[in-house]
Amino acid sequence: GMPVEQNPPALSLYEGAESGLRCNFSTTMKGVQWFQQNHRGRLITLFYLAQGTKENGRLKSTFNSKERYSTLHIKDAQLEDSGTYFCASNSGTYQRFGTGTKLQVVP
Amino acid sequence: EAAVTQSPRNKVAVTGGKVTLSCNQTNNHNNMYWYRQDTGHGLRLIHYSYGAGSTEKGDIPDGYKASRPSQENFSLILELATPSQTSVYFCASGETGQNTLYFGAGTRLSVL
Repeated sequence: GMPVEQNPPALSLYEGAESGLRCNFSTTMKGVQWFQQNHRGRLITLFYLAQGTKENGRLKSTFNSKERYSTLHIKDAQLEDSGTYFCASNSGTYQRFGTGTKLQVVP
Repeated sequence: EAAVTQSPRNKVAVTGGKVTLSCNQTNNHNNMYWYRQDTGHGLRLIHYSYGAGSTEKGDIPDGYKASRPSQENFSLILELATPSQTSVYFCASGETGQNTLYFGAGTRLSVL
């Protein structure tokens, strides 16, 4: 199967709502990085995790290397959160990307 | 803030022509990467480099060459461009052991 499976492929949220994105890895990874791609196509780093949980404002990410998954949780969604979110697994050599979750936040 | 600059930002090429995409980073990172982004595939790694003079094949290297003449510069070369290489190409840099990638703004390539 795919080395990095990302779900859901698309997501629509009302402003103020919350939801989670998930990446599953086919093998054990050394870490995971989460990106947001904005409407201009620019990739913005959100988190890098080697283990555990990190929070930044309305975003929270976890990485469980043993169970081979990572999650990104968005709470109190805002219009500017719209975009495509990617996880990228770090095998130690280079990073492989998931296929992305396209998030649309609507009023 | 890490700085990765790609040029050109947009390129239209003809089938069979040669295309060179350039990437410059001012972060003094050892590692540099070229990815392409296509709908339904996310970003896929074409070539990467551990430092000046080094190039390595990624997951989809066929039809591409890479060149790392210096720490700062990493080029992607399409010797004989084909329409299937129409895509958005991203360059990234990163430091060994730090695990965070810094991306350029992307190059949109159309091969007609």
